[in-house]
Amino acid sequence: AQSVTQPDIHITVSEGASLELRCNYSYGATPYLFWYVQSPGQGLQLLLKYFSGDTLVQGIKGFEAEFKRSQSSFNLRKPSVHWSDAAEYFCAVDLSSGGYQKVTFGTGTKLQVIP
Amino acid sequence: GAVVSQHPSRVICKSGTSVKIECRSLDFQATTMFWYRQFPKKSLMLMATSNEGSKATYEQGVEKDKFLINHASLTLSTLTVTSAHPEDSSFYICSAERTPETDTQYFGPGTRLTVL
Repeated sequence: AQSVTQPDIHITVSEGASLELRCNYSYGATPYLFWYVQSPGQGLQLLLKYFSGDTLVQGIKGFEAEFKRSQSSFNLRKPSVHWSDAAEYFCAVDLSSGGYQKVTFGTGTKLQVIP
Repeated sequence: GAVVSQHPSRVICKSGTSVKIECRSLDFQATTMFWYRQFPKKSLMLMATSNEGSKATYEQGVEKDKFLINHASLTLSTLTVTSAHPEDSSFYICSAERTPETDTQYFGPGTRLTVL
């Protein structure tokens, strides 16, 4: 079965500091990978996605993620966090290629940004 | 582009009543829409996949007679929670694929349902 692990439930960083949110998945093949952000009371917004090609993916709001096949990871990074980045972040995977079937979400990482 | 809306954003109802939640793709057509349920401090759980003009596909454990899904047009899917009970209280989120793309879902803002 598909599984996505976000080992950090809650992370606190200072504004201006760098950020890395971890995501690991377990499959035999390379899935489609996504990172979403959910602000309080809001829906999910797609930050970035990886399907194939360059393993370093650039997204919106200054976020990037790197796919590492050997580690089955797709960690999200940002060099300098802003207070407005405080939200919950979800990693998601879709094993189907070329068609959308089932997306499995991680349990989320809540990011707190302190001044 | 790719904006998805949900209505209402928040609803409170009495136990035993039915509640309808609408999911609309505002600036694109969506042959396929999805309904999720999000529990507190937990991830999103896919409830069903809704295809325009055909019956929805429900995930295991989701009661199709309780959660009625209708996808009558390329821009609208509805979820009706029938005979709601307090345990149905949750945050319901829809998403849509922008036809003909099939690789990205665009999410609505969610609907907070509280059943008294």
